[in-house]
Amino acid sequence: GENVEQHPSTLSVQEGDSAVIKCSYSDSASNYFPWYKQELGKGPQLIIDIRSNVGEKKDQRIAVTLNKTAKHFSLHITETQPEDSAVYFCAARGEGANSKLTFGKGITLSVRP
Amino acid sequence: SAVISQKPSRDICQRGTSLTIQCQVDSQVTMMFWYRQQPGQSLTLIATANQGSEATYESGFVIDKFPISRPNLTFSTLTVSNMSPEDSSIYLCSSRGPSGSETQYFGPGTRLLVL
Repeated sequence: GENVEQHPSTLSVQEGDSAVIKCSYSDSASNYFPWYKQELGKGPQLIIDIRSNVGEKKDQRIAVTLNKTAKHFSLHITETQPEDSAVYFCAARGEGANSKLTFGKGITLSVRP
Repeated sequence: SAVISQKPSRDICQRGTSLTIQCQVDSQVTMMFWYRQQPGQSLTLIATANQGSEATYESGFVIDKFPISRPNLTFSTLTVSNMSPEDSSIYLCSSRGPSGSETQYFGPGTRLLVL
């Protein structure tokens, strides 16, 4: 089955700096890669996703890049703000209507004011 | 995007009792899922709730412990039966669909503490 690894487990950045969170996956058949942000006491919120036929996707301060050859994908947050502080989960899913998301262990991002 | 609500948002229960969690989606969806999230941990899939048929459970989860209903395309329930302190966790409802949509959304979660 799929295995998704996420590193580092914690990340602290200064407000205004950029943050990069990396994930790797094992199953080359995976073709959909979402990122979720979970704030304390809330459910995971989808912030951006990418399909395997696209190398990069951007939405304002957030971008995701995918390297299919290396089986890596990364979340990039620019101009970080204190409200970006949260736990971020990456996930991967394969083809098919019954395919399921496999999640990484999550990374706690702290943005220092 | 789908908006998902869950009830109750939190509860404190005595061991040996059961709790039913309700999940409502604001639109018809193809797939609904139930996850468990231990404090500080990632998300673990309990089962896929199938409309009109029995739920499909993941390894380590059984129907007797976590019975699931899905009477229509917008609603599902998860019951945590004969609870023990080890069942203390966050239970999350999730949906994907309509058909052809890849995007999966999550509800706010139900925080359960079993004493």
